[in-house]
Amino acid sequence: QKEVEQNSGPLSVPEGAIASLNCTYSDRGSQSFFWYRQYSGKSPELIMSIYSNGDKEDGRFTAQLNKASQYVSLLIRDSQPSDSATYLCAVTSQGAQKLVFGQGTRLTINP
Amino acid sequence: GAVVSQHPSRVICKSGTSVKIECRSLDFQATTMFWYRQFPKQSLMLMATSNEGSKATYEQGVEKDKFLINHASLTLSTLTVTSAHPEDSSFYICSALTTGGNHEQYFGPGTRLTVT
Repeated sequence: QKEVEQNSGPLSVPEGAIASLNCTYSDRGSQSFFWYRQYSGKSPELIMSIYSNGDKEDGRFTAQLNKASQYVSLLIRDSQPSDSATYLCAVTSQGAQKLVFGQGTRLTINP
Repeated sequence: GAVVSQHPSRVICKSGTSVKIECRSLDFQATTMFWYRQFPKQSLMLMATSNEGSKATYEQGVEKDKFLINHASLTLSTLTVTSAHPEDSSFYICSALTTGGNHEQYFGPGTRLTVT
């Protein structure tokens, strides 16, 4: 079992709809959770970090963390074509600095 | 968010030569930086962890004598690809870890290396 799992997609969502990206992790000691966006040919960009159970909102983005179920999700409201990218879920464990990445979900927003 | 720069953004070199890539944290100090490599349509692969003032920690399978890492200051880490070969052609990306409070990794824009 991979340490961090994501549905690789591709996930297609119509413009204006809500895109929902999911991620599960195997290490119960994981403490920090991140969502990165990576456009083709570019480096990853940090868009959300979450550390405690519940929801965290930033503009059109909402991260949700459920440590008991070991999943973290990212919702993108009012999806725009510019949101089309690969979204990487990443996790760090207590005392660790290295990010453990999922394989990424490719999201396409259709105009 | 924090800003990390890389230089050069793109480099072409001949087989057998060495190439140095610089990674700088522009608006924060980073005691820890990371170097990744990414091949087309593949995931990021962590190569090494670079700590200011100490030797880098390399991931399994990464040759430390081929990929020399120096982290001489709190804002600069360098990766030197020595005796480059065509199979070293890849997208090299650094990241820097913020300190104090939540530790977040911010990535540089990457360096595309082509070895001919």
